[in-house]
Amino acid sequence: NAGVMQNPRHLVRRRGQEARLRCSPVKGHSHVYWYRQLPEEGLKFMVYLQKENIIDESGMPKERFSAEFPKEGPSILRIQQVVRGDSAAYFCASSRTGNNSPLHFGNGTRLTVT
Amino acid sequence: GQQLNQSPQSMFIQEGEDVSMNCTSSSIFNTWLWYKQDPGEGPVLLIALYKAGELTSNGRLTAQFGITRKDSFLNISASIPSDVGIYFCAGPDTGNQFYFGTGTSLTVIP
Repeated sequence: NAGVMQNPRHLVRRRGQEARLRCSPVKGHSHVYWYRQLPEEGLKFMVYLQKENIIDESGMPKERFSAEFPKEGPSILRIQQVVRGDSAAYFCASSRTGNNSPLHFGNGTRLTVT
Repeated sequence: GQQLNQSPQSMFIQEGEDVSMNCTSSSIFNTWLWYKQDPGEGPVLLIALYKAGELTSNGRLTAQFGITRKDSFLNISASIPSDVGIYFCAGPDTGNQFYFGTGTSLTVIP
Protein backbone atom coordinates (compact mmCIF):
# COMPACT_ATOMS: atom_id res chain seq x y z
CA ASN A 1 0.00 0.00 0.00
CA ALA A 2 3.01 2.29 0.09
CA GLY A 3 2.39 5.45 -1.84
CA VAL A 4 -1.39 5.89 -1.84
CA MET A 5 -2.28 8.06 1.11
CA GLN A 6 -5.82 8.44 2.34
CA ASN A 7 -7.04 10.64 5.13
CA PRO A 8 -8.60 10.64 7.50
CA ARG A 9 -8.38 6.95 8.44
CA HIS A 10 -11.55 7.25 10.49
CA LEU A 11 -14.33 9.78 10.11
CA VAL A 12 -17.44 10.13 12.23
CA ARG A 13 -20.30 12.29 11.00
CA ARG A 14 -23.84 12.90 12.20
CA ARG A 15 -26.69 12.42 9.78
CA GLY A 16 -27.02 15.43 7.51
CA GLN A 17 -23.38 16.51 7.75
CA GLU A 18 -20.87 16.45 4.93
CA ALA A 19 -17.99 14.00 4.62
CA ARG A 20 -14.85 14.80 2.65
CA LEU A 21 -12.41 11.99 1.97
CA ARG A 22 -8.96 12.69 0.54
CA CYS A 23 -6.65 10.57 -1.54
CA SER A 24 -3.11 11.29 -2.73
CA PRO A 25 -2.10 8.75 -5.40
CA VAL A 26 1.27 7.12 -5.85
CA LYS A 27 3.74 9.69 -7.16
CA GLY A 28 3.57 9.64 -10.95
CA HIS A 29 0.13 8.04 -11.09
CA SER A 30 -2.51 10.13 -12.81
CA HIS A 31 -5.43 7.69 -12.60
CA VAL A 32 -7.52 7.45 -9.44
CA TYR A 33 -10.34 5.08 -8.56
CA TRP A 34 -12.71 5.13 -5.58
CA TYR A 35 -14.25 1.97 -4.17
CA ARG A 36 -16.68 1.34 -1.34
CA GLN A 37 -16.61 -1.71 0.91
CA LEU A 38 -19.24 -2.83 3.39
CA PRO A 39 -18.28 -5.26 6.18
CA GLU A 40 -17.82 -8.84 4.96
CA GLU A 41 -18.27 -7.74 1.34
CA GLY A 42 -16.11 -7.07 -1.70
CA LEU A 43 -15.17 -3.75 -3.20
CA LYS A 44 -17.72 -1.90 -5.29
CA PHE A 45 -16.54 0.50 -7.96
CA MET A 46 -17.70 4.06 -7.57
CA VAL A 47 -15.76 6.40 -9.86
CA TYR A 48 -12.64 6.62 -12.05
CA LEU A 49 -10.86 9.93 -12.56
CA GLN A 50 -7.87 11.28 -14.38
CA LYS A 51 -6.41 14.67 -13.63
CA GLU A 52 -9.26 17.20 -13.85
CA ASN A 53 -11.57 14.71 -15.58
CA ILE A 54 -14.20 12.22 -14.49
CA ILE A 55 -13.83 9.24 -16.82
CA ASP A 56 -16.44 6.85 -15.40
CA GLU A 57 -18.84 7.59 -12.55
CA SER A 58 -21.28 4.79 -13.27
CA GLY A 59 -20.88 3.36 -9.77
CA MET A 60 -21.56 6.60 -7.99
CA PRO A 61 -25.00 7.33 -6.49
CA LYS A 62 -26.70 10.04 -8.50
CA GLU A 63 -27.34 12.26 -5.51
CA ARG A 64 -25.19 13.55 -2.66
CA PHE A 65 -21.94 11.98 -3.95
CA SER A 66 -19.31 13.77 -6.00
CA ALA A 67 -15.63 13.31 -6.77
CA GLU A 68 -12.85 15.43 -8.16
CA PHE A 69 -9.17 15.11 -8.97
CA PRO A 70 -7.84 18.62 -9.50
CA LYS A 71 -4.69 19.53 -11.36
CA GLU A 72 -2.99 20.20 -8.04
CA GLY A 73 -3.73 18.40 -4.81
CA PRO A 74 -5.44 15.19 -3.79
CA SER A 75 -8.55 13.56 -5.15
CA ILE A 76 -11.62 14.29 -3.03
CA LEU A 77 -14.71 12.13 -2.55
CA ARG A 78 -17.48 14.26 -1.11
CA ILE A 79 -20.67 12.97 0.44
CA GLN A 80 -23.28 15.56 1.28
CA GLN A 81 -26.06 15.12 3.85
CA VAL A 82 -24.75 11.75 4.98
CA VAL A 83 -27.16 9.01 6.04
CA ARG A 84 -26.51 5.90 8.13
CA GLY A 85 -26.36 3.78 4.98
CA ASP A 86 -23.26 5.69 3.89
CA SER A 87 -21.28 4.07 6.71
CA ALA A 88 -18.60 1.99 5.02
CA ALA A 89 -14.92 1.83 4.23
CA TYR A 90 -13.98 3.94 1.21
CA PHE A 91 -10.83 2.95 -0.63
CA CYS A 92 -8.87 4.93 -3.14
CA ALA A 93 -6.58 3.28 -5.69
CA SER A 94 -4.24 4.68 -8.29
CA SER A 95 -2.60 3.38 -11.42
CA ARG A 96 0.07 4.70 -13.72
CA THR A 97 -1.63 4.45 -17.07
CA GLY A 98 -5.16 3.16 -16.70
CA ASN A 99 -5.46 0.63 -19.58
CA ASN A 100 -5.69 -2.37 -17.26
CA SER A 101 -2.55 -1.47 -15.29
CA PRO A 102 -2.82 -2.81 -11.72
CA LEU A 103 -4.45 -0.73 -9.02
CA HIS A 104 -2.52 0.20 -5.89
CA PHE A 105 -4.74 0.85 -2.89
CA GLY A 106 -4.59 3.10 0.12
CA ASN A 107 -5.63 1.93 3.58
CA GLY A 108 -9.05 3.46 3.31
CA THR A 109 -11.24 5.87 5.23
CA ARG A 110 -13.77 4.30 7.55
CA LEU A 111 -16.84 6.48 7.65
CA THR A 112 -19.30 6.09 10.49
CA VAL A 113 -22.56 8.00 10.39
CA THR A 114 -24.30 8.35 13.74
CA GLY B 1 -22.38 -5.33 -14.34
CA GLN B 2 -19.81 -8.09 -14.25
CA GLN B 3 -20.16 -10.95 -11.80
CA LEU B 4 -16.97 -12.37 -10.34
CA ASN B 5 -17.63 -15.41 -8.19
CA GLN B 6 -14.94 -16.74 -5.91
CA SER B 7 -14.85 -20.12 -4.28
CA PRO B 8 -14.62 -21.27 -1.70
CA GLN B 9 -16.13 -18.44 0.31
CA SER B 10 -14.02 -19.40 3.33
CA MET B 11 -11.33 -21.90 4.19
CA PHE B 12 -9.95 -23.21 7.47
CA ILE B 13 -6.67 -25.05 7.04
CA GLN B 14 -3.78 -26.31 9.10
CA GLU B 15 -0.47 -24.53 8.92
CA GLY B 16 1.70 -26.16 6.26
CA GLU B 17 -1.17 -27.20 4.02
CA ASP B 18 -1.57 -26.02 0.45
CA VAL B 19 -4.50 -23.79 -0.52
CA SER B 20 -6.39 -23.49 -3.80
CA MET B 21 -9.05 -20.96 -4.68
CA ASN B 22 -10.61 -19.83 -7.91
CA CYS B 23 -12.52 -17.03 -9.52
CA THR B 24 -14.94 -17.14 -12.43
CA SER B 25 -16.44 -14.33 -14.45
CA SER B 26 -19.54 -14.02 -16.56
CA SER B 27 -17.51 -12.71 -19.49
CA ILE B 28 -14.01 -12.69 -20.90
CA PHE B 29 -11.24 -10.75 -19.19
CA ASN B 30 -7.91 -9.67 -20.61
CA THR B 31 -6.32 -9.17 -17.21
CA TRP B 32 -6.65 -10.94 -13.90
CA LEU B 33 -5.39 -9.51 -10.64
CA TRP B 34 -5.17 -11.17 -7.23
CA TYR B 35 -5.18 -9.14 -4.02
CA LYS B 36 -4.93 -9.90 -0.30
CA GLN B 37 -6.65 -7.75 2.28
CA ASP B 38 -5.79 -7.81 5.99
CA PRO B 39 -8.31 -6.51 8.55
CA GLY B 40 -8.41 -2.73 8.62
CA GLU B 41 -6.10 -2.40 5.64
CA GLY B 42 -6.41 -1.83 1.94
CA PRO B 43 -5.98 -4.64 -0.62
CA VAL B 44 -2.42 -5.44 -1.58
CA LEU B 45 -1.59 -6.66 -5.07
CA LEU B 46 -0.18 -10.19 -5.11
CA ILE B 47 -0.07 -11.24 -8.75
CA ALA B 48 -1.08 -9.78 -12.11
CA LEU B 49 -1.87 -11.97 -15.15
CA TYR B 50 -2.14 -10.65 -18.69
CA LYS B 51 -2.30 -13.65 -21.02
CA ALA B 52 -4.57 -16.68 -21.29
CA GLY B 53 -2.80 -19.74 -19.95
CA GLU B 54 -0.20 -17.66 -18.14
CA LEU B 55 1.17 -19.16 -14.92
CA THR B 56 2.91 -16.70 -12.60
CA SER B 57 4.52 -17.20 -9.21
CA ASN B 58 5.30 -14.83 -6.36
CA GLY B 59 7.09 -16.75 -3.63
CA ARG B 60 4.74 -19.42 -2.31
CA LEU B 61 1.88 -18.04 -4.41
CA THR B 62 1.08 -19.22 -7.91
CA ALA B 63 -1.74 -17.91 -10.07
CA GLN B 64 -3.00 -18.98 -13.46
CA PHE B 65 -4.99 -17.18 -16.14
CA GLY B 66 -7.57 -19.69 -17.36
CA ILE B 67 -7.56 -20.74 -21.00
CA THR B 68 -11.18 -19.72 -21.43
CA ARG B 69 -10.28 -16.25 -20.10
CA LYS B 70 -13.28 -16.51 -17.83
CA ASP B 71 -11.48 -17.89 -14.81
CA SER B 72 -8.33 -17.69 -12.74
CA PHE B 73 -6.80 -19.74 -9.95
CA LEU B 74 -4.63 -18.91 -6.97
CA ASN B 75 -2.61 -21.48 -5.07
CA ILE B 76 -0.68 -20.97 -1.85
CA SER B 77 1.82 -23.62 -0.90
CA ALA B 78 2.91 -24.51 2.64
CA SER B 79 0.60 -22.01 4.32
CA ILE B 80 1.79 -20.00 7.31
CA PRO B 81 -0.18 -17.98 9.89
CA SER B 82 0.48 -14.65 8.14
CA ASP B 83 -1.39 -15.94 5.07
CA VAL B 84 -4.60 -15.26 7.00
CA GLY B 85 -6.77 -12.69 5.28
CA ILE B 86 -9.27 -12.22 2.50
CA TYR B 87 -8.18 -12.90 -1.06
CA PHE B 88 -9.86 -11.07 -3.92
CA CYS B 89 -9.66 -11.56 -7.63
CA ALA B 90 -10.23 -8.59 -9.91
CA GLY B 91 -10.46 -7.87 -13.59
CA PRO B 92 -11.26 -4.91 -15.85
CA ASP B 93 -14.19 -4.67 -18.20
CA THR B 94 -13.84 -3.21 -21.67
CA GLY B 95 -14.14 0.23 -20.16
CA ASN B 96 -12.31 1.39 -17.11
CA GLN B 97 -13.86 -0.43 -14.19
CA PHE B 98 -12.04 -3.08 -12.24
CA TYR B 99 -14.56 -5.56 -10.85
CA PHE B 100 -13.73 -7.40 -7.67
CA GLY B 101 -14.77 -10.88 -6.65
CA THR B 102 -16.72 -11.79 -3.56
CA GLY B 103 -13.56 -12.83 -1.72
CA THR B 104 -12.18 -15.98 -0.11
CA SER B 105 -11.52 -15.73 3.61
CA LEU B 106 -8.54 -17.82 4.69
CA THR B 107 -7.90 -18.93 8.26
CA VAL B 108 -4.68 -20.80 9.05
CA ILE B 109 -4.68 -22.87 12.22
CA PRO B 110 -1.21 -23.13 13.79
